[in-house]
Amino acid sequence: SAVISQKPSRDICQRGTSLTIQCQVDSQVTMMFWYRQQPGQSLTLIATANQGSEATYESGFVIDKFPISRPNLTFSTLTVSNMSPEDSSIYLCSVGQGASEQFFGPGTRLTVL
Amino acid sequence: GQNIDQPTEMTATEGAIVQINCTYQTSGFNGLFWYQQHAGEAPTFLSYNVLDGLEEKGRFSSFLSRSKGYSYLLLKELQMKDSASYLCAVRSGSTGGGNKLTFGTGTQLKVEL
Repeated sequence: SAVISQKPSRDICQRGTSLTIQCQVDSQVTMMFWYRQQPGQSLTLIATANQGSEATYESGFVIDKFPISRPNLTFSTLTVSNMSPEDSSIYLCSVGQGASEQFFGPGTRLTVL
Repeated sequence: GQNIDQPTEMTATEGAIVQINCTYQTSGFNGLFWYQQHAGEAPTFLSYNVLDGLEEKGRFSSFLSRSKGYSYLLLKELQMKDSASYLCAVRSGSTGGGNKLTFGTGTQLKVEL
């Protein structure tokens, strides 16, 4: 299975600031996904990060708020911009391996004050 | 759109068997995943079904009926450590690894002595 690491593992941020979350995979993957899990909720897909092209955002998520970079096949970043307390969530990076497996990174726990 | 339903909570006894159901409505179905998530941790991949039938993996089995839009996760010989949230997720999109997943709200399983 793919080994996925995320940085930071957790952070506490002030309202109005931005945080960039990094995701590193130990093998090359075509698509990487960013999910959000708000307290007590299930996972919601934010966007699909494609190497060499713009990310594809799901309904309710926009690039200005969640800019994504995908400079190569093993790395991606998600920035949470102009944060508010409603952005307090766990942010998870995910990759697929073949058709039958999809794995998640350990997550970044963000608290916005 | 996609709609995925799971029971919110279930309670079972150590050593027993429990079945967690998931029903879904989706377009472009391309597989169903089950994940286990302990509190404060990332989801862990348990199983994948894309064809009708039962997939067995140790104490865990997963069943799929595409015509009924129905799946279940069967946990045998329950252990206290199985107390966790179990997430049903449906993949949609074209064939290939890493398509986006839509998650149900999760079933919180409590295993008691």
